Amino acid sequence: DQQVKQNSPSLSVQEGRISILNCDYTNSMFDYFLWYKKYPAEGPTFLISISSIKDKNEDGRFTVFLNKSAKHLSLHIVPSQPGDSAVYFCAASLTGTASKLTFGTGTRLQVTL
Amino acid sequence: DAGVTQSPTHLIKTRGQQVTLRCSPKSGHDTVSWYQQALGQGPQFIFQYYEEEERQRGNFPDRFSGHQFPNYSSELNVNALLLGDSALYLCASSRGHLNYGYTFGSGTRLTVV
Repeated sequence: DQQVKQNSPSLSVQEGRISILNCDYTNSMFDYFLWYKKYPAEGPTFLISISSIKDKNEDGRFTVFLNKSAKHLSLHIVPSQPGDSAVYFCAASLTGTASKLTFGTGTRLQVTL
Repeated sequence: DAGVTQSPTHLIKTRGQQVTLRCSPKSGHDTVSWYQQALGQGPQFIFQYYEEEERQRGNFPDRFSGHQFPNYSSELNVNALLLGDSALYLCASSRGHLNYGYTFGSGTRLTVV
């Protein structure tokens, strides 16, 4: 029972263009969402998050959009840089269970020159 | 400032054996969560320790147990190893058990043969 899904296992984008990574969830009780980036041989690192009371959150080149009615969130990276090449995981949580994140299966982003 | 430290980095065990993985949280963090990441999957929550007690648990059998010490470090024990236990085991620490500000370690790669 995959409650958080990332249906695109991989994505290739040219440097300077926009990268859009998508994530869908099935549990309508989730109220906090996070994106993590993972390089090989390293642990995931926190990128950006959004609470269910918002529909958008920006941090520099990274913007997360949340569509609660569609149970969908997306991460936009503009402009994409070669150093952004990594595996991106979206994760969801319930208030009061902060450490219990439910992760998607990840999307491997490759930013080409 | 050291982040989350996990040991060992790699481990090979035989089916039926027992294994202990160790985690030292980031300085200032008092909560440790453990995740299992199988190949091609996202991390799955095993359990969380706070104030030396297991506070939350994911859908893992009793073969998975843990401990937190007074210095906030933690151990993950797995008994009666199965081939399916082969995975990357990630430790994440945070300040407080309701805090989303996790720092992940680089993980321990466990191979069961």
